[in-house]
Amino acid sequence: AQSVTQLDSQVPVFEEAPVELRCNYSSSVSVYLFWYVQYPNQGLQLLLKYLSGSTLVKGINGFEAEFNKSQTSFHLRKPSVHISDTAEYFCAVSTANQAGTALIFGKGTTLSVSS
Amino acid sequence: KAGVTQTPRYLIKTRGQQVTLSCSPISGHRSVSWYQQTPGQGLQFLFEYFSETQRNKGNFPGRFSGRQFSNSRSEMNVSTLELGDSALYLCASSLARTSGNEQFFGPGTRLTVL
Repeated sequence: AQSVTQLDSQVPVFEEAPVELRCNYSSSVSVYLFWYVQYPNQGLQLLLKYLSGSTLVKGINGFEAEFNKSQTSFHLRKPSVHISDTAEYFCAVSTANQAGTALIFGKGTTLSVSS
Repeated sequence: KAGVTQTPRYLIKTRGQQVTLSCSPISGHRSVSWYQQTPGQGLQFLFEYFSETQRNKGNFPGRFSGRQFSNSRSEMNVSTLELGDSALYLCASSLARTSGNEQFFGPGTRLTVL
């Protein structure tokens, strides 16, 4: 069985500060990894994904994440956040190379950016 | 290209009733997945339909069911509603050639059970 743990439920930061949202996963098989963002009263939007290859993945809105297989982590980072980045962020995994798209999500991290 | 649409956006029902939610995927997408989002349990996978067949199923009771039509539109049904079924129900569509394909989410249907 797979599981995802997002280590921080809430992360408050000031505008223009760097931020890291932490994600660890557990799986006995190869996985694909994803970060999604959810703004209030909206669905989820994909920020970035890791399927294979380079362990540093760049996404939309200036976000990036690094896949660390030995530590089973996939932390999300942004060097300088904006007020508009305030949202809930979800880390997710799916089984690699499977037919089907079932995602296992973490509980989410609420990022609050203040001025 | 139009995104994933879900209807209705808001729904209020009472315990014991049943409800049907609808999802229209992005044109050309053949896979539709459903997720339940609650404050306590977070986002949980319900099931996935691909070419009118259920391909994957999460750990939910049989009161939760779904179907997909030939135009890829999908419906999910919840019978004998319980208070704990109050949630945001999200639909996602995908090309679904592999599990690495991006899923595009709709805005959700917020179901309140009284």
